Amino acid sequence: EVQLVESGGGLVKPGGSLRLSCAASGFTFINAWMSWVRQAPGKGLEWVGRLRSKTDGGTTDYAAPVKGRFTISRDDSKNTLYLQMNSLKTEDTAVYYCATEGSASFNYWGQGTLVTVST
Amino acid sequence: QSALTQPRSVSGSPGQSVTISCTGTSSDVGGYNYVSWYQQHPGKAPKLMIYDVSKGPSGVPDRFSGSKSGNTASLTISGLQAEDEADYYCCSYAGSYTYVFGTGTEVTVL
Repeated sequence: EVQLVESGGGLVKPGGSLRLSCAASGFTFINAWMSWVRQAPGKGLEWVGRLRSKTDGGTTDYAAPVKGRFTISRDDSKNTLYLQMNSLKTEDTAVYYCATEGSASFNYWGQGTLVTVST
Repeated sequence: QSALTQPRSVSGSPGQSVTISCTGTSSDVGGYNYVSWYQQHPGKAPKLMIYDVSKGPSGVPDRFSGSKSGNTASLTISGLQAEDEADYYCCSYAGSYTYVFGTGTEVTVL
């Protein structure tokens, strides 16, 4: 059974940093393309970015609102995906989901972790 | 990148069919056959219901079907059931290795 478990969310001040983790199991993580998707309270879904598998280059793509501030990385030895968020803004407040990506869609999702950016 | 446009809400009685539209542009929905649909119950993670415009993942009831015409994609739920009451989001590949989601539609079973 595929499982994705996010952690690391919390309250952070504007301008601060936070690192989220996503622990994966039940599938071959090393071959997976992984994405982060966020959802502001009461709002819709927003794609944040992706990290390809190392065999496919290990490269990243980001949505415009987070480019240059967020970095996605992975530790295949720990089956874990990360999202490093710097220079956080109030508008980054959201539940952050990690998801597997395949066939131009997001196949499996974690339960999400809440990030609140506030003074 | 602007969000794809969906109706705020649709409703139907049990057994009826409802269709949710998802309107984009030639740079996203109209330009690629990479539209997917997600169901989200309150407080839960989204669940993939349709991918590649009209393909259903294993385990998703075939009551859910997808289609596309021009810049508008559609999700149809046939034989509406109480458990189908949820929010639904479309998503399209938008070029340059990015994705754009729709604004979301609340489906109510009367």
